[in-house]
Formats: sequence, structure tokens, C-alpha cells
Amino acid sequence: AQSVTQLGSHVSVSEGALVLLRCNYSSSVPPYLFWYVQYPNQGLQLLLKYTTGATLVKGINGFEAEFKKSETSFHLTKPSAHMSDAAEYFCAVRPSYGGSQGNLIFGKGTKLSVKP
Amino acid sequence: SQTIHQWPATLVQPVGSPLSLECTVEGTSNPNLYWYRQAAGRGLQLLFYSVGIGQISSEVPQNLSASRPQDRQFILSSKKLLLSDSGFYLCAWSVGTGLNEKLFFGSGTQLSVL
Repeated sequence: AQSVTQLGSHVSVSEGALVLLRCNYSSSVPPYLFWYVQYPNQGLQLLLKYTTGATLVKGINGFEAEFKKSETSFHLTKPSAHMSDAAEYFCAVRPSYGGSQGNLIFGKGTKLSVKP
Repeated sequence: SQTIHQWPATLVQPVGSPLSLECTVEGTSNPNLYWYRQAAGRGLQLLFYSVGIGQISSEVPQNLSASRPQDRQFILSSKKLLLSDSGFYLCAWSVGTGLNEKLFFGSGTQLSVL
């Protein structure tokens, strides 16, 4: 069984500051890991995903995430926050075999606010 | 290009009333289709998915049902809404297989059952 824990339902940073959104997962099999973003009044969009290979994954809009198996973590980071990054971010996991990508387990989401 | 339409954006319904949320996809054929729900304080939860017309799989037993009358149409229904049905409902579709599979979401429906 898989599960996802996102620490902090609300994170606030200043413009230009580091963004760090935490995600820990549990999975009995090698996981595929995802970060999705939802901007106000829009659907979820895929930011980045880890499937195999390099553990540091780069996504859109300057975000990246590192898969750390020993820590069962997949934290999302961005060196310098921009006002347009204000959104809700969801971490998700699914097993690396079996089923379709839609069979994702999502975290509760973290709402990111960016202060000027 | 492919687009997904989900409506309405917000809905307020009394307890015991019926529900019908519609989702349509354009620009692709034979997509996998999904309904998710996010209840207050919880993560997104997969409710139903469909790999073809008339084929519906339910992930969680509940007061809701889904139907796929056409290839690119996915409908979420209830005969009698409960308070616990309140939440944010997202439709999604996917294309491709394995590592190439991509998932696309609609903009969601905020349902309040009063």
C-alpha cells in the first residue's frame, strides 16, 4: 500500500526566498513520485515526476525535487520564489508497476503563499 | 490540442437531492478517464476510472456512481446527496502507457451539500 504525507498545509515565503515543500511517502514497492500544482481556478498540472534514473528531477517553472530513498522523501524546492508561484501543490505516489497513472495516491496538498 | 471541460465550477445542493457532474474531453480518442474527490482536510482520492465506453471501475464504495455513455464523456452522479459528499471533484484523463502516460486534470467542481 502507498501513502503520502505533506508536511504543512500552508507555507508562506517572501518573494526571492527559497521554496521548500515537504513530501514523504510510504510504498511497499519502488514508487513513481509526482508533484502537481493547481493555480487558482485551474486544473492540476504536472510539475515534475520521478520514475527511474537520476534522483534529482527538474520540472517546469524552475522547480526541482530529489528522490531520497533512505529518507522516503521527495521534497519540492525552488531557489527563488516568484509571486506567480502562489498555488496549491500536491505530492502523489503510485506503484512502479501495475495500473494506470490515474491510480495515484495524493497528499493533502500544501498551499504556497508568496509575500512581496 | 486536447482539452478537458468540467462543469459546473461550483454547486450548492440540498441533502437528498440528485447530482450530475459532467466531464468531456476533446482532441483525443479512447482516453482513460478518472473522477477524484478532495474532501476537507484530506488528499485527493480516486473515486472511479474508466478505460472505455461503459467500463467503470470503482475505487471506493460510496453514495456516488459514474457512467461513460460516450468515448469522451464521463459523468458522476448521485441519486441522493449526503452531507459527506461535499468536496472538490476533479475529472482527469490520461493518454499513453507506462512511463509515457500523461495525466491531465480539469479545473474541478466545488460541491457543497447543505
